Amino acid sequence: SQQGEEDPQALSIQEGENATMNCSYKTSINNLQWYRQNSGRGLVHLILIRSNEREKHSGRLRVTLDTSKKSSSLLITASRAADTASYFCATGTGTYKYIFGTGTRLKVLA
Amino acid sequence: GAVVSQHPSWVICKSGTSVKIECRSLDFQATTMFWYRQFPKQSLMLMATSNEGSKATYEQGVEKDKFLINHASLTLSTLTVTSAHPEDSSFYICSARDLGAREGLGTQYFGPGTRLTVL
Repeated sequence: SQQGEEDPQALSIQEGENATMNCSYKTSINNLQWYRQNSGRGLVHLILIRSNEREKHSGRLRVTLDTSKKSSSLLITASRAADTASYFCATGTGTYKYIFGTGTRLKVLA
Repeated sequence: GAVVSQHPSWVICKSGTSVKIECRSLDFQATTMFWYRQFPKQSLMLMATSNEGSKATYEQGVEKDKFLINHASLTLSTLTVTSAHPEDSSFYICSARDLGAREGLGTQYFGPGTRLTVL
């Protein structure tokens, strides 16, 4: 399967703590994107990082990319209950289609 | 940002019937759209790439006669689940790539999804 893998599969933290999710993939990529999905809903784009970038920030989100290890991480700082959702990485290889990782289900406890 | 809509948002049908799901890019043109399928608590699996004016490209293991895709215009792609069975019940999500995005890059914009339940 080409699908990437994410770990942990599930993560439960207290409000205010940081949450880190990791994504590993198998093929060379042009870019990697992180998405959020609330239960039973559509996807919301969070951040895109290009293959020549190593780190990117957006608000409370910090994404890193290590192409030599074929891995990426998403850090959510000072988490809130509203951050409870599933988070997916998706890798783009230049053919415009994206392969999604297995996802991390994050639960932030108030 | 760009908006992609899907219709219907949910549908319940009987076994053996066909169901059509529409995916529209509302404020941009999309020569390429993608259809995904998602089972409960699982990831999105790419089913096919929908190309405007040409045949769709299906991923391995996806039956093209079962899941008919038509990309009739730069803003509309449809997925028809033919002769639906209970195992086709799933969440179907489409995405569209903005025509103006640089090649190889660019955010894909996702629709809100359609939940199909086949009785």
